[in-house]
Amino acid sequence: NAGVMQNPRHLVRRRGQEARLRCSPMKGHSHVYWYRQLPEEGLKFMVYLQKENIIDESGMPKERFSAEFPKEGPSILRIQQVVRGDSAAYFCASSPRLSDAYNEQFFGPGTRLTVL
Amino acid sequence: QKEVEQNSGPLSVPEGAIASLNCTYSDRGSQSFFWYRQYSGKSPELIMSIYSNGDKEDGRFTAQLNKASQYVSLLIRDSQPSDSATYLCAVKGSGAGSYQLTFGKGTKLSVIP
Repeated sequence: NAGVMQNPRHLVRRRGQEARLRCSPMKGHSHVYWYRQLPEEGLKFMVYLQKENIIDESGMPKERFSAEFPKEGPSILRIQQVVRGDSAAYFCASSPRLSDAYNEQFFGPGTRLTVL
Repeated sequence: QKEVEQNSGPLSVPEGAIASLNCTYSDRGSQSFFWYRQYSGKSPELIMSIYSNGDKEDGRFTAQLNKASQYVSLLIRDSQPSDSATYLCAVKGSGAGSYQLTFGKGTKLSVIP
């Protein structure tokens, strides 16, 4: 599978628990973006990462949310002490290189988080 | 605040007709424009990208861009029931944050057999 991979596809957590969402970019892609889609809302940018670097986290809530993209392994979006308002679809996208002015982003299947 | 506006629809067209989807954006310096298709419960799928004023055709899809009017559109010719989905307009801005996409809320298209 050469596409963007995300897991788990569905995640159920109780309030106060932690959620970890994983994303492996397309082969050859080194740029990862996380977006959140709330019910009946549009996709909202959260964070942009390259290997070992957070480039822009301007869309991330200030508390409880963090992201990383280590040298080895997938990018991880971590939500601590989840609340019901965190219930949403979280999508990861990847693009090949920033110098590409077109910067086409390709989306993974998403993780649907439900907080009980 | 950068904004992308779309009519939410639903837009209903008969099978075989042309579906016309529209989008306006607020950031005059925006450089790149994308149309994504999203089926219910699925992820966005890139179907068209456009960077220069004018038309770009790909199969049954034509994207149109008018930077002076800050307007992007997508035409779907010979619409099929399988085209029924939500179409998302996305804009890549200028300057700081130029790598993130700003999305409209989408237009829901229904193609009636």
